[in-house]
Amino acid sequence: NAGVTQTPKFRVLKTGQSMTLLCAQDMNHEYMYWYRQDPGMGLRLIHYSVGEGTTAKGEVPDGYNVSRLKKQNFLLGLESAAPSQTSVYFCASSYSPSSSGRFPDTQYFGPGTRLTVL
Amino acid sequence: AQTVTQSQPEMSVQEAETVTLSCTYDTSENNYYLFWYKQPPSRQMILVIRQEAYKQQNATENRFSVNFQKAAKSFSLKISDSQLGDTAMYFCAFMNIANAGGTSYGKLTFGQGTILTVHP
Repeated sequence: NAGVTQTPKFRVLKTGQSMTLLCAQDMNHEYMYWYRQDPGMGLRLIHYSVGEGTTAKGEVPDGYNVSRLKKQNFLLGLESAAPSQTSVYFCASSYSPSSSGRFPDTQYFGPGTRLTVL
Repeated sequence: AQTVTQSQPEMSVQEAETVTLSCTYDTSENNYYLFWYKQPPSRQMILVIRQEAYKQQNATENRFSVNFQKAAKSFSLKISDSQLGDTAMYFCAFMNIANAGGTSYGKLTFGQGTILTVHP
């Protein structure tokens, strides 16, 4: 049981390049989330997914796209990277209220990806 | 909108002693969860403890306990018998149900974090 894993751990891009970050979870969680962490600002939600084939925007979605083709995977894409997207990116997953009968459950985080855009 | 405030940017404590990290929040919601997450230098976000707002009893997890004061909107973390491995950034987080685009999800709002250093 690996929990939540993220690929890659580090990446350096040039402005205008594209890339995809992969998040995988083996806990059969319905909900998955992408956050970014910037110094002094805590974590902010980029996009989230409530199940396979569905995605929705969070607080700071501009410049990012996501896809959830399989329940266990949640991909975050940057089509044209900008220096403002230099950050640490975290993926998280949780049970959903509907499947567990509970309030939105605890989110479990991956190890993060440090992205630098030059 | 919810806000979470951690007023102590940095704290330090001697090994084996007790330290308390402060957190206050602002919300008009009545049903929510509160969390403390730990982020060591490895960068991994690790769940430390969770408190349901409807429970009056304070949550405890081994050496970690909280003082939850719902009326005062305060949620402090006490670490007893501090260990060197407790050195990390600690984040307080508030969770409520949010709705966007026709779907609901657990919205986490984080504080800015407190850097805790445990000295030998």
